[in-house]
Amino acid sequence: GNSVTQMEGPVTLSEEAFLTINCTYTATGYPSLFWYVQYPGEGLQLLLKATKADDKGSNKGFEATYRKETTSFHLEKGSVQVSDSAVYFCALKAGGTSYGKLTFGQGTILTVHP
Amino acid sequence: DAMVIQNPRYQVTQFGKPVTLSCSQTLNHNVMYWYQQKSSQAPKLLFHYYDKDFNNEADTPDNFQSRRPNTSFCFLDIRSPGLGDAAMYLCATSRDHVETQYFGPGTRLLVL
Repeated sequence: GNSVTQMEGPVTLSEEAFLTINCTYTATGYPSLFWYVQYPGEGLQLLLKATKADDKGSNKGFEATYRKETTSFHLEKGSVQVSDSAVYFCALKAGGTSYGKLTFGQGTILTVHP
Repeated sequence: DAMVIQNPRYQVTQFGKPVTLSCSQTLNHNVMYWYQQKSSQAPKLLFHYYDKDFNNEADTPDNFQSRRPNTSFCFLDIRSPGLGDAAMYLCATSRDHVETQYFGPGTRLLVL
């Protein structure tokens, strides 16, 4: 079946530090890949996505590249801010007849200190 | 702005007392999803509607039901909430199965 594995957290960084959150996946076919962010007490917001191999998704300074050869979609940001503190979820949506079901990783808690 | 709205944001119910959570959307999307997210866990899909067609996940308990009276609204009914049903319930929509899902802010359910 489909699955997503994220690096375990929590991740604690100082402001302006470089961020990497690792995400690898297992899926049949050619899935679409997503990063969602969840701020405390709120729902999920789409951060970025990529729909095919070698695509790079980017938004608000965050980037992730769809690497089919390593089945990875790592999230990066060059300089984090306190306001980036949140839970980050990597997710995939497989193609074919799986009717768009999103499979999420366990989430990574990011805390950024001033 | 087009959006996904969930009401209420917080809901307290008693053990065994039926409760209904509401989701509405102004995106005119065909598909509406309900996810359950327990503390510190990933969201788990309960079921979804494609237009009027209801699709239940195999492991969703019978205690959970859903209604979609029109394109804009979808309801989650919990017939007899147990303590284990305390969670955040997230509604999401997408234009079709292929397109990106957009989430509402969620309803946090507390069962006493």
